[in-house]
Amino acid sequence: GAGVSQSPSNKVTEKGKDVELRCDPISGHTALYWYRQRLGQGLEFLIYFQGNSAPDKSGLPSDRFSAERTGESVSTLTIQRTQQEDSAVYLCASSFGTGKGGAAINQPQHFGDGTRLSIL
Amino acid sequence: GDSVTQMEGPVTLSEEAFLTINCTYTATGYPSLFWYVQYPGEGLQLLLKATKADDKGSNKGFEATYRKETTSFHLEKGSVQVSDSAVYFCALGIPGGGADGLTFGKGTHLIIQP
Repeated sequence: GAGVSQSPSNKVTEKGKDVELRCDPISGHTALYWYRQRLGQGLEFLIYFQGNSAPDKSGLPSDRFSAERTGESVSTLTIQRTQQEDSAVYLCASSFGTGKGGAAINQPQHFGDGTRLSIL
Repeated sequence: GDSVTQMEGPVTLSEEAFLTINCTYTATGYPSLFWYVQYPGEGLQLLLKATKADDKGSNKGFEATYRKETTSFHLEKGSVQVSDSAVYFCALGIPGGGADGLTFGKGTHLIIQP
């Protein structure tokens, strides 16, 4: 069956440009997560959606980062005025939310292949 | 803040060897603990989890026990195979925590030689 799909798989852009990353979660998954993985580092949590609501946006690195989700479907992560330190792999994950046997955080997260973002 | 520390890799073992990958954590709440695995060319996937102290998670011959007294969740397997070669990530999550994302370690690259 279809897994989590992310696009583009690779993005190279110049410093100062805006980029938009897309995530299509698994159908029926109400929870959606964005993470960032810099070279040689672990995954860094950015934001979580339950449905189309993001209860806590404090994980976003700066006000240049924003994220939206339409219904319980597609999410976009937008980075404005990109900087070189934004270079990383951006991973999206989805899962069943609260109510499917417990807290959302205890549900297995299903990850996409990520978008590799390179800022020149 | 919450954090996860796991042993640095790469870890190289021969087939059928015993595996331990250490993981310790610090958390402000009462966390659930996870091991995720990324096989070559594939996305991250959940390997096993434990949601309370003394619980043992197990899957595919791997085991990890939630040790609250030592704040640890070490991953073990009695006899590794070449197909176990992958990157392993230890992670924690706080049920009901405000941010609701997982906190990951940096990952341990495991290489199993025939």
